[in-house]
Amino acid sequence: EVQLVESGEHLVQPGGSLRLSCSASGFIFSSYWMTWVRQAPGKGLEWVANIKQDGSETYYVDSVKGRFTISRDNTKNSLYLRVSSLRADDTAVYYCARGGADWDWYLDLWGRGTLVTVSS
Amino acid sequence: DFVMTQSPDSLAVSLGERATINCQSSQSVLYSSNNKNYLAWYQQKPGQPPKLLIYWASTRESGVPDRFSGSGSGTDFTLTISSLQAEDVAVYYCQQYYNTPRTFGQGTKLEIK
Repeated sequence: EVQLVESGEHLVQPGGSLRLSCSASGFIFSSYWMTWVRQAPGKGLEWVANIKQDGSETYYVDSVKGRFTISRDNTKNSLYLRVSSLRADDTAVYYCARGGADWDWYLDLWGRGTLVTVSS
Repeated sequence: DFVMTQSPDSLAVSLGERATINCQSSQSVLYSSNNKNYLAWYQQKPGQPPKLLIYWASTRESGVPDRFSGSGSGTDFTLTISSLQAEDVAVYYCQQYYNTPRTFGQGTKLEIK
């Protein structure tokens, strides 16, 4: 089955760090751009970051630059998001999503998301 | 950054009637070299991840019912549901993938009247 599965829920204190994981199966992971999108409770979707197939290019939304790092391990079919210096407004469900093979087009496959709660 | 503005924020439509959601981009998402609009529509039902409905502004994703259609070009786009079904209750988002950061509209909540 073609799917993306993110790691479980996380509770972290303000200023803390953690690494989110997303495991891919059912498709050739190394052939696709990958993306993280987040959604704060009751709010809309916010694009966070994306990464090229070989990891040579990464892009971020301004609000997370310098604090978040997207990476991937194609040998493990896994996508990661290292999040640090966390703030209360980083509380959200984080979705991993698949982009295109030729370029980072629309997102045609989404995981169910992982909840990150930033609270003391 | 490209700002995507959807209208209305919420919409109530009777079963079997037409629903129309608009999306306006602050800059054109039409790429002149291939004449493609870099715009997608997603549907998100409560407690679920978003689902791709439409890409290239008007191409329906495989498996999406043909009552869903997308139109528009440049900066103005429309998602139309020709005959609303109960299972279409959801929040709908447009997204541009012309530029980085990719940006979404704020969402339109569709309900049954």
